[in-house]
Amino acid sequence: GENVEQHPSTLSVQEGDSAVIKCTYSDSASNYFPWYKQELGKRPQLIIDIRSNVGEKKDQRIAVTLNKTAKHFSLHITETQPEDSAVYFCAASRETSGSRLTFGEGTQLTVNP
Amino acid sequence: GAVVSQHPSWVICKSGTSVKIECRSLDFQATTMFWYRQFPKQSLMLMATSNEGSKATYEQGVEKDKFLINHASLTLSTLTVTSAHPEDSSFYICSDTTRGGTDTQYFGPGTRLTVL
Repeated sequence: GENVEQHPSTLSVQEGDSAVIKCTYSDSASNYFPWYKQELGKRPQLIIDIRSNVGEKKDQRIAVTLNKTAKHFSLHITETQPEDSAVYFCAASRETSGSRLTFGEGTQLTVNP
Repeated sequence: GAVVSQHPSWVICKSGTSVKIECRSLDFQATTMFWYRQFPKQSLMLMATSNEGSKATYEQGVEKDKFLINHASLTLSTLTVTSAHPEDSSFYICSDTTRGGTDTQYFGPGTRLTVL
């Protein structure tokens, strides 16, 4: 089955700096890669996703890149703000299998004012 | 706004009792819903896939007789934790999919279960 590894497990940055979180996956048939943000005690919220037919996607301060050859994808947050502090999860799936997501272990991002 | 609701948001029960958690897909008919469990400071672990009108598909290691799933309608899936024990204490989250023609999953707010 799919295995998703996520690094780093914790990340601390100063407000205004950029943050990068990286994930690798094992199943070459995976073609859907969402990122979720989860604040303490709350539901995971989808922040951005990418499908294998594109290499990069951007939404304001958030961007995701995908390298299918190397089987890794990354989340980039620019101009970080304290409210970006949360746990971020990457995930991967084969969309044809009914969206069975495999999650990474999560990254605790702390943005210091 | 929220597209998936869960009830209750938290529950405390005694060891040996059963607890039912409801997951509702709002304004959408979800043929497939998922149930996850999340322990403190850990990732989401898929427990089972809930299919409307058929038996749920359980992940390896998840006891189907302990975690009963019923998906009797297109908007409601329920998870019943039977004979709960303290080790079942966790955050249980459901999600739906295929909303808008994509396979993106949207999560419910979760249910915090504490078994004494």
